[in-house]
Amino acid sequence: EAGVAQSPRYKIIEKRQSVAFWCNPISGHATLYWYQQILGQGPKLLIQFQNNGVVDDSQLPKDRFSAERLKGVDSTLKIQPAKLEDSAVYLCASSRDQGNTEAFFGQGTRLTVV
Amino acid sequence: LAKTTQPISMDSYEGQEVNITCSHNNIATNDYITWYQQFPSQGPRFIIQGYKTKVTNEVASLFIPADRKSSTLSLPRVSLSDTAVYYCLVGRYNQGGKLIFGQGTELSVKP
Repeated sequence: EAGVAQSPRYKIIEKRQSVAFWCNPISGHATLYWYQQILGQGPKLLIQFQNNGVVDDSQLPKDRFSAERLKGVDSTLKIQPAKLEDSAVYLCASSRDQGNTEAFFGQGTRLTVV
Repeated sequence: LAKTTQPISMDSYEGQEVNITCSHNNIATNDYITWYQQFPSQGPRFIIQGYKTKVTNEVASLFIPADRKSSTLSLPRVSLSDTAVYYCLVGRYNQGGKLIFGQGTELSVKP
């Protein structure tokens, strides 16, 4: 089966600009996660969707980050305006449902804010 | 969510068995233990999951003592390609379950 697709792979923007990341999960997977991974650290959960509903967004900086999963399939994560400390890899993952610990990750989008 | 503690880094040589221990003293009755592997420039990959005693698959073994306050990931006869970061996750993976990653253990396998 096809894996989790993310785009773009790399993005360089100036601070205060906006950026959007796209994720296409594995077909049929109800749960979708967005993580932020800063160099040298473990992935930090930003938001978790179950179908098109938000399960957890407690770690999402809502003043600048937003995410949506329309129709319970694809998802987009947006940052507006970006700050230097947003430089990181943004990972998308999906699993069959919330009760399944085996999540499949995309290759991520490496964001550099200058 | 139960907090996990792992060594930050470990070194090994090709052909050796590597054991990475994770401490999770406040694990809850309904919590499972899951391990992920992450290579540079890639997303994490599921390795193994268990609740108690021992679980084995084609990649690794997971040992969980009776009190479940720790777990050990065992990689038999490692090769250079096993160089990666290994994450131990503990959580109740049902309604409202989340995958929370800690710092992980950076394993370096040398020739």
